Amino acid sequence: EAQVTQNPRYLITVTGKKLTVTCSQNMNHEYMSWYRQDPGLGLRQIYYSMNVEVTDKGDVPEGYKVSRKEKRNFPLILESPSPNQTSLYFCASSLRGGGYTFGSGTRLTVV
Amino acid sequence: QQPVQSPQAVILREGEDAVINCSSSKALYSVHWYRQKHGEAPVFLMILLKGGEQKGHDKISASFNEKKQQSSLYLTASQLSYSGTYFCGTGISGNTPLVFGKGTRLSVIA
Repeated sequence: EAQVTQNPRYLITVTGKKLTVTCSQNMNHEYMSWYRQDPGLGLRQIYYSMNVEVTDKGDVPEGYKVSRKEKRNFPLILESPSPNQTSLYFCASSLRGGGYTFGSGTRLTVV
Repeated sequence: QQPVQSPQAVILREGEDAVINCSSSKALYSVHWYRQKHGEAPVFLMILLKGGEQKGHDKISASFNEKKQQSSLYLTASQLSYSGTYFCGTGISGNTPLVFGKGTRLSVIA
């Protein structure tokens, strides 16, 4: 089944403890991206990648890192999470210019 | 830069029609529409490309007015299953990421 897989679905962590949210797609999509969703703000882009080893900042990149070493994987790294990074995170992938397929989401709480 | 969606929320009775608008201040190459049900991921509905398209998807269709940089999503004879939040995503080229609007919450009641 064609899909974007995110893990974990839920995560509660403490301030400053490094964490990684994984994202993997099996559709051979060139484009992958990370969004955060907060009430009333819609989907805001964190980082995106047009292809392997090519990444760029979105609208809200502060406090996040990404890497794209393989085409299928695009992990999101929070080196030192803070409470303002509590949010619902979505990974998405697409062919260039195509419709996005979203992962199921990761609900992160930083206390 | 973020497209503006209107209305922010709408409540319909089954069988009624609705229009959701998405406007941008930038010259657009494409407009995407997505629906997100509560607690789920957004799901792709359709893409419209520069050139002034109109597309249909069962009873859900959309148009793209290139001159006005505006797209509208039309939901006709609404069903309970249409409930959710609708997002437009706009792209200024085929190689740039989408920027999403804040969403329109649609509630269909019996």
